[in-house]
Amino acid sequence: GEDVEQSLFLSVREGDSSVINCTYTDSSSTYLYWYKQEPGAGLQLLTYIFSNMDMKQDQRLTVLLNKKDKHLSLRIADTQTGDSAIYFCAESINYQLIWGAGTKLIIKP
Amino acid sequence: ETGVTQSPTHLIKTRGQQVTLRCSSQSGHNTVSWYQQALGQGPQFIFQYYREEENGRGNFPPRFSGLQFPNYSSELNVNALELDDSALYLCASSFTPPEGNQPQHFGDGTRLSIL
Repeated sequence: GEDVEQSLFLSVREGDSSVINCTYTDSSSTYLYWYKQEPGAGLQLLTYIFSNMDMKQDQRLTVLLNKKDKHLSLRIADTQTGDSAIYFCAESINYQLIWGAGTKLIIKP
Repeated sequence: ETGVTQSPTHLIKTRGQQVTLRCSSQSGHNTVSWYQQALGQGPQFIFQYYREEENGRGNFPPRFSGLQFPNYSSELNVNALELDDSALYLCASSFTPPEGNQPQHFGDGTRLSIL
């Protein structure tokens, strides 16, 4: 079956690293994505990783993929107040995206 | 480069009415997907259009229908509106080369409220 799971909340101090985790169930996924959603807004594509890769780095963002455990993580270095949002993990299966429920990232001063 | 645009931004309807939501895809993109996002949840896939035809559909009833036009823009139509249809409706566009889908880029959505 298709299921993507994430923790609902993550709280970090400004300047620390944030690590948001996601597990998925379908090993036939071609791409795995991280999207950011700010209040009242649409979904912003942050980064994505092809299923035959195990790591991708893009400025402050690092994505790690463990295919054996079907585990995906997003690390945000030097977390800032502007990173406050809901982060969604999604897997691509054929023509559609299957989404987690989102992790709300809370930044403490 | 023009991003994905959706209209209207907000809409209020009553039960039993019909609604049409519109989406203009990002330039260079030929595929449009529609999602429904209820409050506090992740998006749910409704359907996708490629070359003006439905390319896949999620678990939504037939009263949810769509169109794609030659310029790749798209419409989502919902008939016989129900209270549970209240949600944010998101449109995403992507470029689908022969070897498969590319990342989807989203508009800001249409917030539909059913009274």
